[in-house]
Amino acid sequence: KNQVEQSPQSLIILEGKNCTLQCNYTVSPFSNLRWYKQDTGRGPVSLTIMTFSENTKSNGRYTATLDADTKQSSLHITASQLSDSASYICVVSAENTNAGKSTFGDGTTLTVKP
Amino acid sequence: KAGVTQTPRYLIKTRGQQVTLSCSPISGHRSVSWYQQTPGQGLQFLFEYFSETQRNKGNFPGRFSGRQFSNSRSEMNVSTLELGDSALYLCASSLLGGGEKLFFGSGTQLSVL
Repeated sequence: KNQVEQSPQSLIILEGKNCTLQCNYTVSPFSNLRWYKQDTGRGPVSLTIMTFSENTKSNGRYTATLDADTKQSSLHITASQLSDSASYICVVSAENTNAGKSTFGDGTTLTVKP
Repeated sequence: KAGVTQTPRYLIKTRGQQVTLSCSPISGHRSVSWYQQTPGQGLQFLFEYFSETQRNKGNFPGRFSGRQFSNSRSEMNVSTLELGDSALYLCASSLLGGGEKLFFGSGTQLSVL
C-alpha cells in the first residue's frame, strides 16, 4: 500500500532560525514528489517538484532534497519568516497515475514565532 | 490567467440538508479533483473528474457525489448532511491529472449545525 509519512507533526521555531521537515514514502513505482505549502484557510500551493534523478532543488529560502534509494525527502527552510507559518504537505505520485492516486502526507504544521 | 475559483467561500447548513459546491478550474485544465480537509487531518481524496467522467473515487459514502461539465467546471454534492461533514472542501485542477502540479482553489468552508 502506498504511504507517505511526514515528521514532525508540528514544529515551533523562532523567526530567523532554520528548520527541516521530513517525508518518507513507500510509493512505487515512483514518479515525482512535490512539497506544497498551505496557509490557514487557503488551498495548498506547490513549492517544489522532485523527480527520480534530482537530489536537490531550491526555491528561494526553501530547499528540497530527495534520496530515492531510502525513499526520503526533506524540505529545509532557511532564515525563517513569520510568513512561513503554514502546513507543509508532501505528495508523492506513482508512474501512470491519475491525480486521485497521488498519495498525500498528513502535513507538518510549522509555527514561526517572533 | 485566473486561478481555480471555488464558490461559495463559506456555507452553513443543518443536519439532513444537502449542499452543492462549485469549482471552476484554470482555463484549459481538464482534470478536477476534490478533497476534504478537517482540522488536524490531511487532505482526504474524494474523487477526480476528467473530461466529464469520474476517473477515480476515494473512500467516501455515496452521499458524496460530483459531476463535471463540458467546460470542465465541476460541482460536488453532499446529501443528508451530518455533523462530521463539517470541513474545508478543496478542489484542484491540472491539465491532464496524473502526477502533475495541482492548482488548488481557496476552498469552501462548510459548517454543519
